[in-house]
Amino acid sequence: NAGVTQTPKFQVLKTGQSMTLQCAQDMNHEYMSWYRQDPGMGLRLIHYSVGAGITDQGEVPNGYNVSRSTTEDFPLRLLSAAPSQTSVYFCASSPGQPEQYFGPGTRLTVT
Amino acid sequence: KQEVTQIPAALSVPEGENLVLNCSFTDSAIYNLQWFRQDPGKGLTSLLLIQSSQREQTSGRLNASLDKSSGRSTLYIAASQPGDSATYLCAVRWIQGAQKLVFGQGTRLTINP
Repeated sequence: NAGVTQTPKFQVLKTGQSMTLQCAQDMNHEYMSWYRQDPGMGLRLIHYSVGAGITDQGEVPNGYNVSRSTTEDFPLRLLSAAPSQTSVYFCASSPGQPEQYFGPGTRLTVT
Repeated sequence: KQEVTQIPAALSVPEGENLVLNCSFTDSAIYNLQWFRQDPGKGLTSLLLIQSSQREQTSGRLNASLDKSSGRSTLYIAASQPGDSATYLCAVRWIQGAQKLVFGQGTRLTINP
């Protein structure tokens, strides 16, 4: 049981490039979410999904796209990276309420 | 707006002391509140979760309390150890918008041997 896995661990992008951050969980959780964490700040919700085929926006969704075609996977897409998207990204999953399980994070730098 | 605040941002204490970390939140209509630990460069580990109907939860040397009427939660750490050094994050799930977890900024705790 691997829990929540994220790839890659580190990534450097140039402004304007696109990429996909991968997130997978093997716990059959319906609820998955993406957060970003900036220095000195807590985590802020980007997008979330309550099941396959259902996604919704969180607090800071601009510049990010998501889709949920399977229960296991919830990729986060940056269509045109900007320096303001330099951050650490965390994926989380939950069986519903109340707890969430977090992945180890992806550290993204946009130059 | 639903917000979570943690003060101070950083705290340094000598080993062996008992200490309290604070978390305050707007809007008392919460679903639950959760305390997390984050080690440098790592993900989050859930420490304690308090449901809206509960006043406190305990796990080992940790005790979390909840006072909805005042919009406050505290995390009490007894007999602190250097291994307790980490950032501690408080997160609230409100009844309205229960799918969303809102985090405080965290308190970076250093325990000095």
